[in-house]
Amino acid sequence: GAGVSQSPSNKVTEKGKDVELRCDPISGHTALYWYRQSLGQGLEFLIYFQGNSAPDKSGLPSDRFSAERTGGSVSTLTIQRTQQEDSAVYLCASSSEGVYEQYFGPGTRLTVT
Amino acid sequence: GENVEQHPSTLSVQEGDSAVIKCTYSDSASNYFPWYKQELGKGPQLIIDIRSNVGEKKDQRIAVTLNKTAKHFSLHITETQPEDSAVYFCAASLSGYSTLTFGKGTMLLVSP
Repeated sequence: GAGVSQSPSNKVTEKGKDVELRCDPISGHTALYWYRQSLGQGLEFLIYFQGNSAPDKSGLPSDRFSAERTGGSVSTLTIQRTQQEDSAVYLCASSSEGVYEQYFGPGTRLTVT
Repeated sequence: GENVEQHPSTLSVQEGDSAVIKCTYSDSASNYFPWYKQELGKGPQLIIDIRSNVGEKKDQRIAVTLNKTAKHFSLHITETQPEDSAVYFCAASLSGYSTLTFGKGTMLLVSP
């Protein structure tokens, strides 16, 4: 079946602009996670959704970052007034109810110039 | 919060050799430990995982061992092949439904 999909695959933006990154989880998966991977670094947790609610937003690095999920499916991560340090690969993962395994999408590579 | 340390950061082996990657974690309440393989330009792929009620798990050429007392777990790859070359990440979580804390990754290079 279809896996997690993310769009766009690559995004180049100028410093100060806002960007939106999209994640389509595996159909039926109730949990959705956003992670960030900076060059040469491991994966850093950003936010977790269960259904449409976000019980854990502890990883969002600043109030410029926000995310929402609608219909228990698609999620959008928004970064306002982008900074060069926001350049990274943003990864989305989803998991099914009662299942431990998280499945990742291919990521969106964000470059802030 | 949880902290996961992973070693080595790079590992070079000859085709056919075994490779071992080790991770330690800090929170004794963690009970789920997955391993991911990430190839260049792709998202991480779950290759094997283990839960705290199990000491070892095998899947063909890969195996994971867990020592809860020492708070460490390891990935073992036998009969390595060039297509095993990738970055491997370990992770830990407090439950199956919570966020993963990742190690910083091991770049494995298998030479023909």
